[in-house]
Amino acid sequence: EDQVTQSPEALRLQEGESSSLNCSYTVSGLRGLFWYRQDPGKGPEFLFTLYSAGEEKEKERLKATLTKKESFLHITAPKPEDSATYLCAVQAEFPKLTFGTGTRLTIIP
Amino acid sequence: DSGVTQTPKHLITATGQRVTLRCSPRSGDLSVYWYQQSLDQGLQFLIHYYNGEERAKGNILERFSAQQFPDLHSELNLSSLELGDSALYFCASSATTGGGQPQHFGDGTRLSIL
Repeated sequence: EDQVTQSPEALRLQEGESSSLNCSYTVSGLRGLFWYRQDPGKGPEFLFTLYSAGEEKEKERLKATLTKKESFLHITAPKPEDSATYLCAVQAEFPKLTFGTGTRLTIIP
Repeated sequence: DSGVTQTPKHLITATGQRVTLRCSPRSGDLSVYWYQQSLDQGLQFLIHYYNGEERAKGNILERFSAQQFPDLHSELNLSSLELGDSALYFCASSATTGGGQPQHFGDGTRLSIL
């Protein structure tokens, strides 16, 4: 059975303080690893798809990386508007996405 | 804005009742997915439709059913509701059916069972 574990559950950072969120996964045959951002009262917003180990993708202050067992979402010099819950999901058997429970990120001005 | 529209935003009803949740996918998307998000379990895949046909089932209860209409909108029907069915129900869509495609989510319907 596919499993996704995200850590930490919650993270508080000062504005400008860079850090990383972790997503560890166990799947047989990864078709894609997805990162989403979810704001309170909203649906998950798609950020990145990673397909194979060694792949990296960037968007503004966010950079996602992938190894054979985990993915990291690096956030550089975060701003208060980056505060959200970040979800990681894996897809092995289409179309099911298996989600982690997320990391709740708070950026303090 | 993902382009996926879900109605209603909130639904309050009683145990034993039946409700229908509606989803309009992004323009041009043929695939629709339904997920349930509860506090303790995160997002759980329920069912997938592609161009009107059911393609895959996940952890969907027999009391729940879905369909996708010719105009590609989809409905999730929940019947004989129980307290444990209280959750956020999300619809997502993608352009095609195939592994590795990102799914784009609506803002969900919050269902509260009293």
